[in-house]
Amino acid sequence: DVQLLESGGGLVQPGGSLRLSCIASGFTFSSSIMGWARQAPGKGLGWVSVISVDGRSPYYADSVKGRFTISRDNSKDTLYLQMNSLKAEDTAVYYCVKEQPASGWSFDYWGQGALVTVSS
Amino acid sequence: VLTQSPGTLSLSPGERATLSCRASQSVSNNYLTWYQQKPGQAPRLLIYGASSRASGIPDRFSGSGSGTDFTLTITRLEPEDSAVYYCQQYGGGRLTFGGGTRVEIK
Repeated sequence: DVQLLESGGGLVQPGGSLRLSCIASGFTFSSSIMGWARQAPGKGLGWVSVISVDGRSPYYADSVKGRFTISRDNSKDTLYLQMNSLKAEDTAVYYCVKEQPASGWSFDYWGQGALVTVSS
Repeated sequence: VLTQSPGTLSLSPGERATLSCRASQSVSNNYLTWYQQKPGQAPRLLIYGASSRASGIPDRFSGSGSGTDFTLTITRLEPEDSAVYYCQQYGGGRLTFGGGTRVEIK
């Protein structure tokens, strides 16, 4: 079974940093486009970042460009999201997602999410 | 920008639900996706490529449309269909979600 297990969430002060990790299993991670989506409490879904199989030319939402960095380690089946200069509006549940192959960036598996709270 | 309507739909079991998703620009290659999200759960992929059902999705769920106007139809509503439904597009180098439609089962 496909599993995506996020970790690294928590409480951080504004301006601080946090790194999320997502360990994948049950599929060929190195052949899969991966990404991060988020959902603020009581709000709708939003995209954060997507990374290709080789890690080149990642996609970032405008709201996180220059502050967040997505990366992957195909030898460890792990996806990362380095979040710097965090703001209160970054408070959300962050989901690790896997693309359905050749679907035009539709995502068929979602982790259970990691809560990030930015507050003083 | 993706605009979903209505905001909330309240229907009885067995009825048909029609959800709309309108894009401000034509969606590239019909890369329009629908997700279902139930309270406390992660989203679930329903429809990709505007009209292809994802694995394990009942045929009560169907997607249609092209260009800027897309529809998710749920026939024969069941109590477990109570959820928020989001559309998503990839176009113009941007991934965006619509604001969601809440489907309530009376």
